[in-house]
Amino acid sequence: DSGVTQTPKHLITATGQRVTLRCSPRSGDLSVYWYQQSLDQGLQFLIQYYNGEERAKGNILERFSAQQFPDLHSELNLSSLELGDSALYFCASSLGGSGGYTFGSGTRLTVV
Amino acid sequence: TQLLEQSPQFLSIQEGENLTVYCNSSSVFSSLQWYRQEPGEGPVLLVTVVTGGEVKKLKRLTFQFGDARKDSSLHITAAQPGDTGLYLCAGSGNTPLVFGKGTRLSVIA
Repeated sequence: DSGVTQTPKHLITATGQRVTLRCSPRSGDLSVYWYQQSLDQGLQFLIQYYNGEERAKGNILERFSAQQFPDLHSELNLSSLELGDSALYFCASSLGGSGGYTFGSGTRLTVV
Repeated sequence: TQLLEQSPQFLSIQEGENLTVYCNSSSVFSSLQWYRQEPGEGPVLLVTVVTGGEVKKLKRLTFQFGDARKDSSLHITAAQPGDTGLYLCAGSGNTPLVFGKGTRLSVIA
């Protein structure tokens, strides 16, 4: 157990639908990062939150949004889903700075 | 955009062999990290290298950061089946970690 909890582990949904992925960071970590992993693109950074505030944005589509709550857990919302959104979505947390990230086990999203 | 190129993409070797995987970029990174990822799990941090020319050892794994802090290598001595996995390098600069696409290693008993 890495200390980062992601739910659900698997999600199958239809095109056009909306889903919410949830992440609880490791205790004490203030930064939360969301990454998308696909076979051809590897791990792509989506967005970072630090202590409730958006800190950095990567290749996140406008159909996707995220937030970090006062208890530091984070949610990634994916809407108007397309077949190409099928991927593994990872949440990671860190204290901040240049330290290593602790990853959760991911959510495997399948859009059919 | 900072990019990290990893090579080889795939590597299949026999137990007991040595191997080296590479991570290269045209950008300078303040630090570089190596992760290992197993099926169904998230990446797990192996090591962080910070200083140009730095060498770190973790049992049979040796990590090196290039003098110019643009490249790194991971050498495994006497590989074992338990070393099987996806090895990812990740660079740290002014943005969140940028990951390479990884080297998928398979060690056959």
